[in-house]
Amino acid sequence: KNQVEQSPQSLIILEGKNCTLQCNYTVSPFSNLRWYKQDTGRGPVSLTIMTFSENTKSNGRYTATLDADTKQSSLHITASQLSDSASYICVVIYNTNAGKSTFGDGTTLTVKP
Amino acid sequence: NAGVTQTPKFQVLKTGQSMTLQCAQDMNHNSMYWYRQDPGMGLRLIYYSASEGTTDKGEVPNGYNVSRLNKREFSLRLESAAPSQTSVYFCARGSEQFFGPGTRLTVL
Repeated sequence: KNQVEQSPQSLIILEGKNCTLQCNYTVSPFSNLRWYKQDTGRGPVSLTIMTFSENTKSNGRYTATLDADTKQSSLHITASQLSDSASYICVVIYNTNAGKSTFGDGTTLTVKP
Repeated sequence: NAGVTQTPKFQVLKTGQSMTLQCAQDMNHNSMYWYRQDPGMGLRLIYYSASEGTTDKGEVPNGYNVSRLNKREFSLRLESAAPSQTSVYFCARGSEQFFGPGTRLTVL
């Protein structure tokens, strides 16, 4: 069964600190992996998209890594800000044409002043 | 979430009532999707439409119907709402899955 597991489930950090969120998947075949940020009461917003051949992708203070061999991805947030408080969702796409994807349950990040 | 609009933003229904959730995109993408998001669970695909006039079931289609009459709009219908359908519903468009703001539905 295709699965995406994220850890930790929740995380609290102080403003200005860095953090890393993890995503392990068993989805196959693999098309691409995406990280989304979802603010409370809003729809998910894409942060990064990585294909099989990419092992790192940055978007400002967000850097995603992908190890397709071990089926692991991470999202590193540098110099956190209060506005980074949100849920971060890892999604693995296994059939782009049919929109087939498996979503993780997300990691809830709280950044405190 | 500009680019995908969803109406209504909030809705409360009684068990057995019907309603249609509307979704519209302002681009010309072929694919559109409907998801539901429940506490403690990842987004789950209800239905998707690969192109105008075509629809296919996703992971959790029971209790729902969809309609893709034109490229711009993709609607989700609950014929007889049940409390288990209380959820937040998201529409997305395009292969990159750009999401709308969601509709929060409560079924009493």
